Amino acid sequence: GAVVSQHPSWVICKSGTSVKIECRSLDFQATTMFWYRQFPKKSLMLMATSNEGSKATYEQGVEKDKFLINHASLTLSTLTVTSAHPEDSSFYICSARIAGELDGELFFGEGSRLTVL
Amino acid sequence: AQSVTQPDIHITVSEGASLELRCNYSYGATPYLFWYVQSPGQGLQLLLKYFSGDTLVQGIKGFEAEFKRSQSSFNLRKPSVHWSDAAEYFCAVGRGNQAGTALIFGKGTTLSVSS
Repeated sequence: GAVVSQHPSWVICKSGTSVKIECRSLDFQATTMFWYRQFPKKSLMLMATSNEGSKATYEQGVEKDKFLINHASLTLSTLTVTSAHPEDSSFYICSARIAGELDGELFFGEGSRLTVL
Repeated sequence: AQSVTQPDIHITVSEGASLELRCNYSYGATPYLFWYVQSPGQGLQLLLKYFSGDTLVQGIKGFEAEFKRSQSSFNLRKPSVHWSDAAEYFCAVGRGNQAGTALIFGKGTTLSVSS
């Protein structure tokens, strides 16, 4: 099956710094990628829809200035957590669908665990 | 707004016993429904999906799910559980009942398998 890779798998940073998480579709092109946030023992919360070549669409309650999303190519989307604070510590997961396959499976990355000290 | 409810937070099943994980959704029309499994250290893997047609859907790893419109349910079943099935299971619905959209997830059910 198609592979979605996230990097880094885990990151620790100091409060106030910014962290970038990459999401790559390794063997397919994705015009749309989705970013989720997963809290411990909780469901995946949709943060935003990342569209190649255009601005991301954020869900209600998600601060677009804090969670910057860039989808510069058909295989790469990045999530930058700006001025991170301890409450931003979480597990961030991206997903993507093969371009053109609207009914296709949504493939998920293995997630990136962010810890803000 | 659409929502997905998984009533059982944690289920323990003996190895070899049958399994049923419950999922209820709220949406007026026929939804796009999915079951995913998440194992520690691994990404979510699709077990099966329902878009239309036969209401009994077969998936990977011996799982199946049945769509019941009258009950707004899409329960996941497996006739004989293996220890390797211990994981987190998520039911999800396609938002807006449209193809190509994001998925809305339930809160998940943790499956433990006892020997």
